Amino acid sequence: GQNIDQPTEMTATEGAIVQINCTYQTSGFNGLFWYQQHAGEAPTFLSYNVLDGLEEKGRFSSFLSRSKGYSYLLLKELQMKDSASYLCAVMDSNYQLIWGAGTKLIIKP
Amino acid sequence: GAVVSQHPSWVICKSGTSVKIECRSLDFQATTMFWYRQFPKQSLMLMATSNEGSKATYEQGVEKDKFLINHASLTLSTLTVTSAHPEDSSFYICSARVFGLAGFQETQYFGPGTRLLVL
Repeated sequence: GQNIDQPTEMTATEGAIVQINCTYQTSGFNGLFWYQQHAGEAPTFLSYNVLDGLEEKGRFSSFLSRSKGYSYLLLKELQMKDSASYLCAVMDSNYQLIWGAGTKLIIKP
Repeated sequence: GAVVSQHPSWVICKSGTSVKIECRSLDFQATTMFWYRQFPKQSLMLMATSNEGSKATYEQGVEKDKFLINHASLTLSTLTVTSAHPEDSSFYICSARVFGLAGFQETQYFGPGTRLLVL
């Protein structure tokens, strides 16, 4: 079966750095996505990785290792507004998105 | 990024009535849209894939006669919850498939969601 694993919840301090991991097992791979979802709102697109390596976008970076079936989202200089759920999703060989359950990130002052 | 709208954002209805939710791509054409449902503190659950000009593809366990999907144009998909019951109360979110340069990259952009409360 297809499976996306990410931690249920993480806590970090304002101004610090946090890394949210995602491991996957899917039938085929056509890219990995990270989305941010604030409580009560729809997800918003953060990043897309299809090749191994690190993609940096401001305070957010996303890393992919296809051989290990592993990705992480790195958030730097954490702000209170970064408190949200972070969803990892993999596009399989049928170009369907397989969603993880999301990681709730709690930022403390 | 691409903009997707949903209407209404909130709806409260009586049990047994039908509710229609619209999903529009505002600045692009979307041949494929997706409908998700999300219960509180749970992940997104794909309900169906809506293809312009053809029948929707429903996920296992989703009743196609209860959740009617119409994708009559390249910018509009509608989800109708027929004979809604309290257990249908949820957050319904649509997304539109967007292709990047030369179709290499694909992502989904989400509408703001519709909260349905069935009394």
